[in-house]
Amino acid sequence: QVQLVESGGTVVQPGGSLRLSCGASGFTFSGSVMHWVRQAPGKGLEWVAVISSDGTQKDYADSVKGRVIISRDNSKTTLYVQLNSLRVEDTAVYYCARESIDCSGGDCYSAGLDYWGQGTLVTVSS
Amino acid sequence: YELTQPPSVSVSPGQTARITCSADVLPKQYAYWYQQKTGQAPVLVIYKDTERSSGIPERFSGSSSGTTVTLTISGVQAEDEADYYCQSSDSSGVFRVFGGGTKLTVL
Repeated sequence: QVQLVESGGTVVQPGGSLRLSCGASGFTFSGSVMHWVRQAPGKGLEWVAVISSDGTQKDYADSVKGRVIISRDNSKTTLYVQLNSLRVEDTAVYYCARESIDCSGGDCYSAGLDYWGQGTLVTVSS
Repeated sequence: YELTQPPSVSVSPGQTARITCSADVLPKQYAYWYQQKTGQAPVLVIYKDTERSSGIPERFSGSSSGTTVTLTISGVQAEDEADYYCQSSDSSGVFRVFGGGTKLTVL
């Protein structure tokens, strides 16, 4: 059974830092591209960052670039995101998600974010 | 860039609901649809414009025409009431983006 379990969400002051974790089980974590997606209270989904299966390629949304670092430890099957210089507008539920890749036709394409965790709430407030 | 969705769609049970998502990049990049019920994590419904994800009922289908993709729910049921988000990527395929979401209300 696939499980993604986020942790680390808490209340933090503006300008502070926080590291979120996402423990994975039930699938080949070391072979999976992983994402962080967030959702502010009452708002829509916002893509945050992506990391390749081996951790060498990382990309970020413009809204967090320079303040957020995505990383992973395949030996611990855990995904991380370091949130720095936090702002009130970073308040959100942070989800980790696995991206399925379809290579059945020769070329490889994304088959979407097929597994999601339950999310962890980060509140930035003084 | 942005993916544009209508904020809300309302249908009666048994009717067909159509939710659109528009962007100039959609002829070049695949679209994906997610269903999110209140207080729950999103669930993948459609991938690569038209493919139904595992375990998703056949009443859910996806289509694409030019700069618009459409999620169609045939024979809507009360349990389909949820927020629906389209997702794609920029022209490089690297940066993902979500639409603003559409709240489906079953009357």
